[in-house]
Amino acid sequence: EAGVAQSPRYKIIEKRQSVAFWCNPISGHATLYWYQQILGQGPKLLIQFQNNGVVDDSQLPKDRFSAERLKGVDSTLKIQPAKLEDSAVYLCASSLDVTGHGYTFGSGTRLTVV
Amino acid sequence: EDQVTQSPEALRLQEGESSSLNCSYTVSGLRGLFWYRQDPGKGPEFLFTLYSAGEEKEKERLKATLTKKESFLHITAPKPEDSATYLCAVQAKGGSEKLVFGKGTKLTVNP
Repeated sequence: EAGVAQSPRYKIIEKRQSVAFWCNPISGHATLYWYQQILGQGPKLLIQFQNNGVVDDSQLPKDRFSAERLKGVDSTLKIQPAKLEDSAVYLCASSLDVTGHGYTFGSGTRLTVV
Repeated sequence: EDQVTQSPEALRLQEGESSSLNCSYTVSGLRGLFWYRQDPGKGPEFLFTLYSAGEEKEKERLKATLTKKESFLHITAPKPEDSATYLCAVQAKGGSEKLVFGKGTKLTVNP
């Protein structure tokens, strides 16, 4: 089974620039998550999709972050404009359901804002 | 608000030296407690899910246990390849299925 694919692996941008990350979940997984992991901390949920509908975006900074999941498959996460504190690894995960081992993470995109 | 606290932040062991990692949690109603392993530059990799107090699960040198307030990850006779950051997360009943993570314990096993 192919894993969760993310791109790019690394991105360096200047503050106030915009950036986008892409995620392709495991085939057939209805639920998709974007997590932010700041260095030395655990992952924090930004947004959760069920198919192409948003289930939870309570911790998404909506003034600068946006996300979409077209046709209930791939997803993109965008930051515009970026701030220094957005430097982190952005992890995408998908699941059939969340019981047991159904929650699979990608390798993440490491964003550095300078 | 659901919270997870892991200790210690970092742990250095000699190969073969057994120890335990702690995960204390507060949650409105526990649906499940998850343990993940994270290697540098990679996403978290699932290890275990525990659902109720008294439950135990094992995988090779790892054993996870659960009480009403905390979980332990016991590492028996660790090897250098067990070096990684171990993350604990809780999932509450009701609402979304999000996981709330702790900051992790960075384990280093020296040969």
